Amino acid sequence: DVQLVESGGGLVKPGGSLRLSCAASGFIITNAWMSWVRQAPGKGLEWVGRIKRKKDGGTTDYAAPVKGRFTISMDESRNTLYLQMRSLRIEDTAVYFCAIDGSSGFYEAWFGPWGQGTLVTVSS
Amino acid sequence: DIVMTQSPDSLPVSLGERATINCKSSQTILHSSKRKNCLAWYQQKPGQPPKLLIYWVSTRESGVADRFSGSGSGTDFTLTISSLQAEDVAVYYCQQYYSTPPTFGQGTKLEIK
Repeated sequence: DVQLVESGGGLVKPGGSLRLSCAASGFIITNAWMSWVRQAPGKGLEWVGRIKRKKDGGTTDYAAPVKGRFTISMDESRNTLYLQMRSLRIEDTAVYFCAIDGSSGFYEAWFGPWGQGTLVTVSS
Repeated sequence: DIVMTQSPDSLPVSLGERATINCKSSQTILHSSKRKNCLAWYQQKPGQPPKLLIYWVSTRESGVADRFSGSGSGTDFTLTISSLQAEDVAVYYCQQYYSTPPTFGQGTKLEIK
């Protein structure tokens, strides 16, 4: 079964950094397109960014609010996706989910399955 | 960015009755080569991640109950639950994947009347 498990969330001060991990099992992560999606407390869903599968170049795209501050990467040996977050702002406070991006040969698409999420709180 | 607008924000429905949630895109989301609209629906229960229900407007994800169906064209789309069950209480989101960034509707909270 495909499973995604996020970790690394916590409390960080404004301007600080944090790295989130998304450990994958049941599939090879570098064979998939992967996205991060966040959800501020009590709010809706916001796409953060994606990384293409290795075969498609492994390049990344980011949402405007995080571009230049967040970096998505993969470690094939650990079968893990990462989200490096820098210069964190109060408005980055959210639960961060990783998800498989697309399926059936179509990518930059729907999201599923999802991990259970990890909470990032940015506060002084 | 494409704006997705759902209605209503909150929907009380009696058990066994039909529930209908609407989603409108600010522009066309028709994939030119596939001739399909790039629209997905998710269900999110409290404390859980979203769950993919439907993609390509009307294709049900494997394992999703057949009381869930999607329809629509142009810029107007609908998620229908034919006979509401207690376990369907959740927030439902639509999402377009026609262009980057992918964007979601604001969510519709479905509750029991």
